[in-house]
Amino acid sequence: GAVVSQHPSRVICKSGTSVKIECRSLDFQATTMFWYRQFPKQSLMLMATSNEGSKATYEQGVEKDKFLINHASLTLSTLTVTSAHPEDSSFYICSVGLAGLVETQYFGPGTRLLVL
Amino acid sequence: QKEVEQDPGPLSVPEGAIVSLNCTYSNSAFQYFMWYRQYSRKGPELLMYTYSSGNKEDGRFTAQVDKSSKYISLFIRDSQPSDSATYLCAMKGGTSYGKLTFGQGTILTVHP
Repeated sequence: GAVVSQHPSRVICKSGTSVKIECRSLDFQATTMFWYRQFPKQSLMLMATSNEGSKATYEQGVEKDKFLINHASLTLSTLTVTSAHPEDSSFYICSVGLAGLVETQYFGPGTRLLVL
Repeated sequence: QKEVEQDPGPLSVPEGAIVSLNCTYSNSAFQYFMWYRQYSRKGPELLMYTYSSGNKEDGRFTAQVDKSSKYISLFIRDSQPSDSATYLCAMKGGTSYGKLTFGQGTILTVHP
């Protein structure tokens, strides 16, 4: 499987600030990455699909201007939560869809965001 | 009706028991089926991956897919306290790069 890292693992910020979360594929070239959000005791909710070199595809109900995704290289995708508010507090997880083996996904360890 | 239904539990079993986890789904286009294990405050870890119907075994874990009934199962033999986690089923259609559809997850506790 693929090894996926995320940074930071947890972040606390004040309301109104922007937070950037990095997702790195350490041992595979990831043409496609996925960003999920998970609230306590709930399943993963897909936010967007990030494709290297092109614009991300957002799921219905996800504000693209609030959750900015950049997939500038085959090993790095970033999610920026702009003007974060307490309701954005959640567990954000990225995953990698491997080129040539995209029937499944390998997940990063997640980033816990707390907005005060 | 959700596309994927999974009993959230919680499920509590004694060490050594056989655990059966299940999901049902409604979308007949699903062809790839996965089971993930998620420990608290961690990302999901891929356990089993199956294409179409049939069984797959890996150590103490066995995954079964019955497409005719739209039903998938994960069996854990000789369960251990370290198996205590949330187990998520996930599935997708045949289109490459298609998104995964997850079940709600079942919380499992294996007590010594």
